[in-house]
Amino acid sequence: DAGVIQSPRHEVTEMGQEVTLRCKPISGHDYLFWYRQTMMRGLELLIYFNNNVPIDDSGMPEDRFSAKMPNASFSTLKIQPSEPRDSAVYFCASSLWLAGTLSTDTQYFGPGTRLTVL
Amino acid sequence: AQKITQTQPGMFVQEKEAVTLDCTYDTSDPSYGLFWYKQPSSGEMIFLIYQGSYDQQNATEGRYSLNFQKARKSANLVISASQLGDSAMYFCAMREGLQGAQKLVFGQGTRLTINP
Repeated sequence: DAGVIQSPRHEVTEMGQEVTLRCKPISGHDYLFWYRQTMMRGLELLIYFNNNVPIDDSGMPEDRFSAKMPNASFSTLKIQPSEPRDSAVYFCASSLWLAGTLSTDTQYFGPGTRLTVL
Repeated sequence: AQKITQTQPGMFVQEKEAVTLDCTYDTSDPSYGLFWYKQPSSGEMIFLIYQGSYDQQNATEGRYSLNFQKARKSANLVISASQLGDSAMYFCAMREGLQGAQKLVFGQGTRLTINP
């Protein structure tokens, strides 16, 4: 079974440019998460979706960041304009919650996108 | 206040020895879940083990077990018979609330190095 797929794996861009990160969750999962990992702040949740609807975007650092989930199999995280302090590894994760079952709603992570903003 | 505390920034262990990675958590919610993830040098986050707050037994998955002490609010990961491939960062995480609440809070991680 395919896991969470992210593209690109590495992105190097210049300050001020628009950056778009892409994610395909595990088929059938109904939750999708975007995280950012830096040495200083560790792993931070940016935003998450349930059934394609944004539920909590309180972790999105500022208006330069936006995320969309147009359908159950695709999500994007966009940074416009990018700044050097946005350099980080961005992870997408997905999970499935089955109400009334013993499922653990474990989040499964993609390989991450390493973003460098010069 | 820190929700998840991992007090060991780094640990060095001889191959084949057992290792315990510490994790304490802080919550007033009676329903929560605790997760451990492994992040090798290649960067991916790999799910290892889960413990629910109402689970009566400590979780086990192969060489991984979770020493869950609810009164002490600790959820230590135990790796038995360590292998060189266990060298990685290990993160403890907590989900507060019932399943479906979904937000995970991560600790700062412990870097484990297995020496041959």
